[in-house]
Amino acid sequence: GENVEQHPSTLSVQEGDSAVIKCTYSDSASNYFPWYKQELGKRPQLIIDIRSNVGEKKDQRIAVTLNKTAKHFSLHITETQPEDSAVYFCAASSAGNQFYFGTGTSLTVIP
Amino acid sequence: GAVVSQHPSRVICKSGTSVKIECRSLDFQATTMFWYRQFPKQSLMLMATSNEGSKATYEQGVEKDKFLINHASLTLSTLTVTSAHPEDSSFYICSARYRGSTDTQYFGPGTRLTVL
Repeated sequence: GENVEQHPSTLSVQEGDSAVIKCTYSDSASNYFPWYKQELGKRPQLIIDIRSNVGEKKDQRIAVTLNKTAKHFSLHITETQPEDSAVYFCAASSAGNQFYFGTGTSLTVIP
Repeated sequence: GAVVSQHPSRVICKSGTSVKIECRSLDFQATTMFWYRQFPKQSLMLMATSNEGSKATYEQGVEKDKFLINHASLTLSTLTVTSAHPEDSSFYICSARYRGSTDTQYFGPGTRLTVL
């Protein structure tokens, strides 16, 4: 089955700086890669996703890049704000199948 | 759109009792719903995949008789934790996928189960 690894497990940045979270996957059949943000005790919220036919996708301060050859994808948050502090999960799946989640990254943005 | 609700949000029960958790897709039809378990500061662990009108598919290591899943309609799936014990205490989250969609999942707010 698929194996998704996520790094780092914790990340602290100063407000205004950028944050980068990286994930690798093992199954070349995976073709959908969502990123979720989860605040303490709340549901995971989809913040951005990318499909395997695209190399990069951007939505305001958030961007995701995908390298299919290397089997890795990354989340980039620019101009970080305190409200960006949360746990971020990456996931990988092939069409119609379950999500395989990474282990999560706890992001702290220091004001 | 794509709102998923869960009920109850919190439940405290005595050891040996059964607890039912409901997951509803409020504004869309969900042919597939997923049940996850999440321990503090850990990732989401898939327990089972629930397809409307058919038996749930359980992940390895998840006891079918312990965690009963029913997906009777396109908007409702239920998870029943039978004869709950303290080690079943956890955060249970469901997610739902649009009918006709093959990827994006939308999560419910979760249910905090505490077994005394």
